[in-house]
Amino acid sequence: DQQVKQNSPSLSVQEGRISILNCDYTNSMFDYFLWYKKYPAEGPTFLISISSIKDKNEDGRFTVFLNKSAKHLSLHIVPSQPGDSAVYFCAAADSWGKLQFGAGTQVVVTP
Amino acid sequence: DTGVSQNPRHKITKRGQNVTFRCDPISEHNRLYWYRQTLGQGPEFLTYFQNEAQLEKSRLLSDRFSAERPKGSFSTLEIQRTEQGDSAMYLCASSTRGNTEAFFGQGTRLTVV
Repeated sequence: DQQVKQNSPSLSVQEGRISILNCDYTNSMFDYFLWYKKYPAEGPTFLISISSIKDKNEDGRFTVFLNKSAKHLSLHIVPSQPGDSAVYFCAAADSWGKLQFGAGTQVVVTP
Repeated sequence: DTGVSQNPRHKITKRGQNVTFRCDPISEHNRLYWYRQTLGQGPEFLTYFQNEAQLEKSRLLSDRFSAERPKGSFSTLEIQRTEQGDSAMYLCASSTRGNTEAFFGQGTRLTVV
């Protein structure tokens, strides 16, 4: 069963504007949540994470928001840059660090 | 190089052959994970080691798949009697206990013809 879902397969955003990526999960026992960025033919690169006991974490241009009651998290990228064009995966981790991933969102940043 | 290293990067094999992949984690990381990714999907968990102990195996891991991590350092993933459905990107990741970040290698792309 798919416990982590990214319902938007693609997102197009203009350079300089905000990119908002969404993710929903079903298991309230997840310990923390992560976002990864992936280029073709490469492994995922860690971007940012958030503990299940927090509601916001910020790192430079990246901010992750967690709404536990809605079982929803989002990643905000601002301002978006051409180098941000990639596939973004939401992942949820249990206490052993085992990750369950969403299907990914392809982000295209246009000039 | 302080990253996770996977070899080979690409492997093409004929159906029915055996293949083995290697993963060298970040040296101080005691946790090692194997994932598989197919086109249009996110990575799927296969198995997990803490030091040399294999603690969990996914239902996705049929009897044809075996993984080892002797001495708690590098790990190998072997697929016996490969099938076309085994074609995928095989990813290795490592982390330390209590750390939220898992670092991935660049993966091994397997094509079974």
